[in-house]
Amino acid sequence: GENVEQHPSTLSVQEGDSAVIKCTYSDSASNYFPWYKQELGKRPQLIIDIRSNVGEKKDQRIAVTLNKTAKHFSLHITETQPEDSAVYFCAASYPAAGNKLTFGGGTRVLVKP
Amino acid sequence: DAGVTQSPTHLIKTRGQHVTLRCSPISGHKSVSWYQQVLGQGPQFIFQYYEKEERGRGNFPDRFSARQFPNYSSELNVNALLLGDSALYLCASSLDRFPGELFFGEGSRLTVL
Repeated sequence: GENVEQHPSTLSVQEGDSAVIKCTYSDSASNYFPWYKQELGKRPQLIIDIRSNVGEKKDQRIAVTLNKTAKHFSLHITETQPEDSAVYFCAASYPAAGNKLTFGGGTRVLVKP
Repeated sequence: DAGVTQSPTHLIKTRGQHVTLRCSPISGHKSVSWYQQVLGQGPQFIFQYYEKEERGRGNFPDRFSARQFPNYSSELNVNALLLGDSALYLCASSLDRFPGELFFGEGSRLTVL
């Protein structure tokens, strides 16, 4: 089955700096890669996703890049703000799995004012 | 519009007992998935239901079962509870059974003593 590895497990950045989280996946058939943000005690919420037919997607301060050959994808957050502090999860899904997501272990991001 | 609602929000059980968790999806969503999130880890897929049929099952023992009702709400049942079943159980709904955004509920936090 699919396996998703996520690094780093914790990330501390100064406000205004950039944050980068990296994930690798094992199943080359995977074609959908979302990123979820989970604040303490809250539900996971989708912040951005990318499908395998594109290499990069941006939404304001957030961007995701995908390298299908290397089977890895990354989340980039620019101009970080204290409200970006949360746990971020990457995930992967492949067509035969319906909308089942395999999640990475999470990255706890702390943005220091 | 109401989001995904889950009940109960918190519950405490003892080993060997049974638990039923409930989920109401967003109106119009026909797919419901269940995930287990152990503290400090990413959510793990348990079940997906679409149009009242099981469409996917994760690597969980037969003590875990679920069903989806004609109104698309869902129940997750866990028998013979073990200490290791202590976790946040997340329900997610989506429009269909294909890869796309999952909308999570706030979860049911189960503690097994």
